[in-house]
Amino acid sequence: NAGVTQTPKFRVLKTGQSMTLLCAQDMNHEYMYWYRQDPGMGLRLIHYSVGEGTTAKGEVPDGYNVSRLKKQNFLLGLESAAPSQTSVYFCASSSSLSNWAYNEQFFGPGTRLTVL
Amino acid sequence: GQQVMQIPQYQHVQEGEDFTTYCNSSTTLSNIQWYKQRPGGHPVFLIQLVKSGEVKKQKRLTFQFGEAKKNSSLHITATQTTDVGTYFCAGRRDGQNFVFGPGTRLSVLP
Repeated sequence: NAGVTQTPKFRVLKTGQSMTLLCAQDMNHEYMYWYRQDPGMGLRLIHYSVGEGTTAKGEVPDGYNVSRLKKQNFLLGLESAAPSQTSVYFCASSSSLSNWAYNEQFFGPGTRLTVL
Repeated sequence: GQQVMQIPQYQHVQEGEDFTTYCNSSTTLSNIQWYKQRPGGHPVFLIQLVKSGEVKKQKRLTFQFGEAKKNSSLHITATQTTDVGTYFCAGRRDGQNFVFGPGTRLSVLP
């Protein structure tokens, strides 16, 4: 099992450009999450999904869109990148077995994004 | 909104010394999780606490959930260089998503 994978690993964008980050998991998890990590601020939830075809806003959703067309994939889009979106982006997934709120999150290796 | 704080922000210890990080929430939590992130790596789940006053141990690591379920601590006995990394707590209120604290970065000098 590969667990949670993310592509790309690194990316440099110019202000105003768009891009999509791909997250894939092979654990048949229902729940998937996108976080951003900035120095001294921990992990902040951008968007999440509780199942195929459903998405919801997290703590810092502005400037991002997501889609969950397939259960195993969760895409994060930046339509018009801004320097404030320079960050490390982590995808995570968790099981729906028993009570989902009590299940650990499995994180991907991260994508380091720089917006110039 | 819910806030989760951690202290200290950084801790430098000599190998063999003990280490403690504290996690405090502005609201009562349903459960709390702890994660470890090695430098350049991704967060990895360590443990979850659910009950008031709960104490759990993993080898040299001891986790505690406060009686009021608003704070938690992680204590490492006799640190080793393999303990280096950032330790995050993540707290959850009923019906809400987990909120991560800013983390405590631990460095261990050999």
